[in-house]
Amino acid sequence: DIQVTQSPSSLSASVGDRVTVTCRASENIDSHLNWYQQKSGEAPKLLIYAASTLQSGVPSRFSGSESGTDFTLTISSLEFEDFASYYCQQTYSPPWMFGQGTKVDI
Amino acid sequence: QVQLVQSGAEVKKSGASVKVSCKASGYSFTNYGISWVRQAPGQGLEWLGWIIPYTGDTDYARNLQGRVTVTTDTSTTTAYMELRSLRSDDTAVYFCARVQRSRMGYYMDVWGKGTTVTVSS
Repeated sequence: DIQVTQSPSSLSASVGDRVTVTCRASENIDSHLNWYQQKSGEAPKLLIYAASTLQSGVPSRFSGSESGTDFTLTISSLEFEDFASYYCQQTYSPPWMFGQGTKVDI
Repeated sequence: QVQLVQSGAEVKKSGASVKVSCKASGYSFTNYGISWVRQAPGQGLEWLGWIIPYTGDTDYARNLQGRVTVTTDTSTTTAYMELRSLRSDDTAVYFCARVQRSRMGYYMDVWGKGTTVTVSS
C-alpha cells in the first residue's frame, strides 16, 4: 500500500502568516494527490486536486506544489476562516490513504 | 444542486451490522464514483472503499476487507455502505463522497454531512 506521511501534525499561526503543510508519499504517485480542509463538526472540503489544481470556488491564497514524492499545501496569507484541519490523500492506487492531518490553530 | 443526503444516526451492539445510505441528486449518478470515509472521535480521516455505479466495481481498505461492502442502487441513485461484526472501534462518523476523475487521478468533490454510528457493548 502507498503511505502518505503528513507533517506537521499541528501548528500555531496568526492571521496573515504564510503556512505550509507537507505530505510525502512512500513511492511515486504521479501527481495523484489531493488536499482537503475540515472544520470541526463538518464534512471535509476539497481544496486542491491533482497536486496543484485549485478546486472551483477555493480562494487563490491556497496553492499546491510537488517535487518528486513530496507535496506541499501553502496558504499564502492565513485568514481567520482557515483555522481548521488539513488532510492530503493519494488516489494513485487503492487503498486511497489519507495523511495523518494537520491542525492549524491560533 | 448537487448533494448527497445520508441516513440518520445509528446505535448498534457489538457484533451487529449497520447499513448507511447516501442518496445522490443533482447529477448523473452513473457518471461518478462514490467513496466512503470515516472519522473516529478526535481522529483523522480513514478511507473505507469506493464503487463505480456504472460497473459495480469496488475497492476496499485492506483492514476492513471482509467486513465492509459498498453497493449502489442506480434506480434510486442511492449508495450503501454495510459494515458487519461491529466493534467499539468502529464508532465513528461515516461520510459518503462523490468521486470525480481527472487526468491525474480521482478526487472527492461533494460530500455528505456524515452519519454517526455508535457501537456499544
